Amino acid sequence: DAGVTQSPTHLIKTRGQQVTLRCSPISGHKSVSWYQQVLGQGPQFIFQYYEKEERGRGNFPDRFSARQFPNYSSELNVNALLLGDSALYLCASGSSLREGRDNEQFFGPGTRLTVL
Amino acid sequence: DQQVKQNSPSLSVQEGRISILNCDYTNSMFDYFLWYKKYPAEGPTFLISISSIKDKNEDGRFTVFLNKSAKHLSLHIVPSQPGDSAVYFCAASAYRSYDKVIFGPGTSLSVIP
Repeated sequence: DAGVTQSPTHLIKTRGQQVTLRCSPISGHKSVSWYQQVLGQGPQFIFQYYEKEERGRGNFPDRFSARQFPNYSSELNVNALLLGDSALYLCASGSSLREGRDNEQFFGPGTRLTVL
Repeated sequence: DQQVKQNSPSLSVQEGRISILNCDYTNSMFDYFLWYKKYPAEGPTFLISISSIKDKNEDGRFTVFLNKSAKHLSLHIVPSQPGDSAVYFCAASAYRSYDKVIFGPGTSLSVIP
């Protein structure tokens, strides 16, 4: 079975541009979460979507937005890019919301975004 | 405000010995704790978890201990193997926050053959 897939693998943008990152969850998983990992730090929660609805949002500006499609894939959009947005963006999928606490999230390999 | 702290950025251990990775948290609402392992160029991989109703959980060579009064947890790896060399993240979540998981900054473990 395919794991969580993310595209593109790497991306280079300039300040002020907009970027869209894509994630396909594990088949059957309805929950998708997005994280930002800056070098030397742990992943920071950005969004969680379940059944196409936003269920959680971290402390990120409105320049960050996301959506989930009927097939449970997801896109993360970042507008007006800043140098500080350079990071590894991770997507994680899970099977359900909190049932039994055994539904651990499965992470994709990430998209490395560099803003120049 | 860092809610999940891992104060040791790195740790080196001889193969066959015990590795102990520590984690402290500040938010008393956290009731579920996880450890993830991350290799370069890969996403984090779930390792082991523990609910706040327990104080210990074992899975093979990995054991997680939770001390709620001290808001402290630790991951023990026995015996340590060279393949365990990776960055280990401690993470926590609170009931009804769905899957919003708060990660610590990570500890880089090197197991020396």
